[in-house]
Amino acid sequence: DTEVTQTPKHLVMGMTNKKSLKCEQHMGHRAMYWYKQKAKKPPELMFVYSYEKLSINESVPSRFSPECPNSSLLNLHLHALQPEDSALYLCASSQVAGAPYEQYFGPGTRLTVT
Amino acid sequence: TQLLEQSPQFLSIQEGENLTVYCNSSSVFSSLQWYRQEPGEGPVLLVTVVTGGEVKKLKRLTFQFGDARKDSSLHITAAQPGDTGLYLCAGEADRGSTLGRLYFGRGTQLTVWP
Repeated sequence: DTEVTQTPKHLVMGMTNKKSLKCEQHMGHRAMYWYKQKAKKPPELMFVYSYEKLSINESVPSRFSPECPNSSLLNLHLHALQPEDSALYLCASSQVAGAPYEQYFGPGTRLTVT
Repeated sequence: TQLLEQSPQFLSIQEGENLTVYCNSSSVFSSLQWYRQEPGEGPVLLVTVVTGGEVKKLKRLTFQFGDARKDSSLHITAAQPGDTGLYLCAGEADRGSTLGRLYFGRGTQLTVWP
């Protein structure tokens, strides 16, 4: 099973709203990732968690707040977003020990900020 | 600066034609992954190549990793409309300080017409 699930599939929010994106995997992976992807562009790395600890923050604005409650779950809390934050948000996971570290992506959340 | 140069950016061909997508870098990668992505969905891992000179086949798709592990190619034989999608190459950098960070090429948007 190489499935990563994400909810919701679509999200429309106003600039003053607070919402959360959720990601789950049951592959025993201990590294989890958030990416942002604009149309016809490659994914851009936002955050990396390793063993439930934040290891990489790619200078993401504080209106995006990640959280890793346990080894299977990853959340992305959204607050006071801007219209330019509209994009496909992808979650991925990989093992940490033992190469290669193939990343498996979820289906994404299509976010629209109005 | 793009670490991985992927070409061509767009490819529009007729069903039955052959094609090759290239992914080049001046950097050495410990592994290289190829993904295919459909609109509104997450990237799906096609293959991972690890050893210099490695060739892997997936039905009509042939993947090659360069001897020096700096470049890779994807060749599709007798393309079909179902092959349409965004093809992404992604290199895994040295583990030392980047924890499985993937460096993505810009992607190749392939359209196969019936």
